[in-house]
Amino acid sequence: KQEVTQIPAALSVPEGENLVLNCSFTDSAIYNLQWFRQDPGKGLTSLLLIQSSQREQTSGRLNASLDKSSGRSTLYIAASQPGDSATYLCAVLIISSGSARQLTFGSGTQLTVLP
Amino acid sequence: KAGVTQTPRYLIKTRGQQVTLSCSPISGHRSVSWYQQTPGQGLQFLFEYFSETQRNKGNFPGRFSGRQFSNSRSEMNVSTLELGDSALYLCASSTKPGQGLRSYNEQFFGPGTRLTVL
Repeated sequence: KQEVTQIPAALSVPEGENLVLNCSFTDSAIYNLQWFRQDPGKGLTSLLLIQSSQREQTSGRLNASLDKSSGRSTLYIAASQPGDSATYLCAVLIISSGSARQLTFGSGTQLTVLP
Repeated sequence: KAGVTQTPRYLIKTRGQQVTLSCSPISGHRSVSWYQQTPGQGLQFLFEYFSETQRNKGNFPGRFSGRQFSNSRSEMNVSTLELGDSALYLCASSTKPGQGLRSYNEQFFGPGTRLTVL
């Protein structure tokens, strides 16, 4: 059974710092890995998607890496801003027989960026 | 392009009642998945539909059911509500390989329906 772990559970940093969020998964047979952002009481916003054949993806101040063999992904946020404060979730997509698809989520990292 | 929409946004029900939640995927997306989010269990997969067929089901009791219509809109139903069913229910839509988009299998989520069971 796939398990996804995110470390740390919470993180508080001053504005302007660069930071790294970690995600690990137990089964390397993933189709892709997706990083999401969730603001309190809201839905999930997709930040980056890395296909299993890729090593990293970048979008603006965000960079996500994937090491499938070791079951790890990192989300790097450069020059953090108070508006980055949210919960960040990683999820891995498994596609099983019959094209059945399922995302398995980590428990998230709650990020607070202090002005 | 409109995103994933979910209705209603908030619901309050009492134990024993039943509830139906609705999800409209992004135009052109044919796959719809449902997830339950609670503070204790996090995000858990409920089921996935594609072309009106349930492709996958998570580890939830039979009280949780769903369906998908020919226009890809989906509904989920929870019967005989329990206090523990209080949660944020999220719907996600995505494309499938062969639909011509580079980022296929990227999941796009709606704002969710907040269900409170009293």
